[in-house]
Amino acid sequence: GGIITQTPKFLIGQEGQKLTLKCQQNFNHDTMYWYRQDSGKGLRLIYYSITENDLQKGDLSEGYDASREKKSSFSLTVTSAQKNEMAVFLCASSSNTEVFFGKGTRLTVV
Amino acid sequence: GDQVKQSPSALSLQEGTNSALRCNFSIATTTVQWFLQNPRGSLMNLFYLVPGTKENGRLKSTFNSKESYSTLHIRDAQLEDSGTYFCAAERPSSSFSKLVFGQGTSLSVVP
Repeated sequence: GGIITQTPKFLIGQEGQKLTLKCQQNFNHDTMYWYRQDSGKGLRLIYYSITENDLQKGDLSEGYDASREKKSSFSLTVTSAQKNEMAVFLCASSSNTEVFFGKGTRLTVV
Repeated sequence: GDQVKQSPSALSLQEGTNSALRCNFSIATTTVQWFLQNPRGSLMNLFYLVPGTKENGRLKSTFNSKESYSTLHIRDAQLEDSGTYFCAAERPSSSFSKLVFGQGTSLSVVP
């Protein structure tokens, strides 16, 4: 089995600040994803990457950047944090079948 | 409208009883995944389904691709089954999994 590690677990930022969330996986999966989950709601896809250095926009990419530096890591940047950014950000990976998730980064913007 | 619609949105079960959760799809769906999100927010994989049925302990899930729905049956509900259940539809793609999530069913199992 493998594990997906997201850092930090909790992130507090100021409005307008640039914030970066990190994700590492040791499944050796090709595809990695960033999802956003707002309180009491389902998950929405922000960015995904099918291989190292690849980036694809999801349904919610505006206001975000991403970087797939190597196969095992995928980072997400909130370019200018807004108060409505408060949500849980979930990283995931897959090998073209089942998708596995990290434990999430909870973002609060003050 | 919702591409993946889950019902019910919330459910309270007495310990030891049975129930079924449902997902209806209005998009082409090749596979379905079911997850349980615990109160701390972690998403645990329950089932990965091609059309057909799988069973794991007290849980059983079916994906009917012709009628575009999936069900998750919980038998003999336990307190630790509480949490939010999500289904996710995989959209047809040649190279990777791209999931569309339902809004979730919040399950509370009470003594």
